[in-house]
Amino acid sequence: QVHLVESGGGVVQPGRSLRISCTASGFAFSTYSMQWVRQAPGKGLEWVAFIRYDGGNAYYADAVKGRFTISRDNSNNMLYLEMNSLRAEDTAVYYCAKVLKQYQMLNYYYMDVWGTGTRVTVSS
Amino acid sequence: QSALTQPASVSGSPGQSVTIPCTGSSSDVGSYNLVSWYQQHPGNAPKLIIYEDTRRPSGVSNRFSGSKSGNTASLIISGLQAEDESDYYCCSYVGTSSLEFGGGTKVTVL
Repeated sequence: QVHLVESGGGVVQPGRSLRISCTASGFAFSTYSMQWVRQAPGKGLEWVAFIRYDGGNAYYADAVKGRFTISRDNSNNMLYLEMNSLRAEDTAVYYCAKVLKQYQMLNYYYMDVWGTGTRVTVSS
Repeated sequence: QSALTQPASVSGSPGQSVTIPCTGSSSDVGSYNLVSWYQQHPGNAPKLIIYEDTRRPSGVSNRFSGSKSGNTASLIISGLQAEDESDYYCCSYVGTSSLEFGGGTKVTVL
């Protein structure tokens, strides 16, 4: 069964860093592109970042560009999001999501499997 | 402020049909057959219900359908049921190495 589990969320002070992870199972992880999507409390969904199946290309929302880095370890079926210079507006539940078909770029982005999310709170 | 505009809420009685529009521009919705729709019940992760403007993943009820005209994509829920009460989000590739979600629409079953 295809499964995604996020971890690593918590409370962090503004300006500090945090790395969250996503453990994938039940599918050929190295052949699927992956994404991060976040949802601030009481707000809608916001796309954060995309990484190609082989880690060769990554794309970011303007709101996080230059501060966040998406990466993956295909040997261990892991997806990561390194978040630096965190701000209060980064407070959200962060979801990892799998792209629908194998070997796709960002223009085929459809997210068919989602994790349950990990909560990140940026507060002093 | 999202570049994709959705109404904040729509409502309908059981058995009726409701339509949720997602209005973009010629730079996103109007340029690509790449709109998707997600259903999200409170406290749960989103679920993909429509992709490539009109296609339904396996296992998704055929009461959900998608359409597009010009710069507006639409999600149609027919035969409305109590379990359809949820938040719905459209999403589009915007052609600048970026994706955009709509602001979301809350569907209420009266």
